Amino acid sequence: QKEVEQNSGPLSVPEGAIASLNCTYSDRGSQSFFWYRQYSGKSPELIMFIYSNGDKEDGRFTAQLNKASQYVSLLIRDSQPSDSATYLCAVNVWAAKLVFGKGTKLTVNP
Amino acid sequence: DTEVTQTPKHLVMGMTNKKSLKCEQHMGHRAMYWYKQKAKKPPELMFVYSYEKLSINESVPSRFSPECPNSSLLNLHLHALQPEDSALYLCASSFGTSGGNEQFFGPGTRLTVL
Repeated sequence: QKEVEQNSGPLSVPEGAIASLNCTYSDRGSQSFFWYRQYSGKSPELIMFIYSNGDKEDGRFTAQLNKASQYVSLLIRDSQPSDSATYLCAVNVWAAKLVFGKGTKLTVNP
Repeated sequence: DTEVTQTPKHLVMGMTNKKSLKCEQHMGHRAMYWYKQKAKKPPELMFVYSYEKLSINESVPSRFSPECPNSSLLNLHLHALQPEDSALYLCASSFGTSGGNEQFFGPGTRLTVL
């Protein structure tokens, strides 16, 4: 059973702080990793993807991947109340199949 | 056009009804997906179509019947559903089906089975 584990939270940070979201995965052969943001009652929105070890930055978001440790993270700098949502880590396990973690609920307090 | 659209937004049906969910994309994507998401749970893959052919069926009960009339359209036909099938049904698309292809979700259809 290929698994993706996330801290369910909730994670609460003050406005302007860095939010750190973590994800581990069981399938060592996984090559592609995705972070989705899902607001309550809405569908998942792709915010970051990463394929290579190291960091990938896009605006206030940084994805970090360590394949040796089977660990992927998402950092959100200068967190805003509008970042309050559930963040889903998804791992491509084979072909088109994504396995999602259970999500981490983030609350950014003004 | 960079979005996936789904209709209807909401659907209420009885256990003896037949209904269909529709999904459309005009991004030139050749892979389309159906997911089911229950409250406070992650999306679960149901079906994958690649180049209009069914390539993955995640052992979904036959009361759910997918159809891909062309590369832009994806339907999910529903018949004799159970109350436990009530969920958010999400359509997604991607350029291809190799691992590196990002999947983009539509807004979903919230289904209630009475």
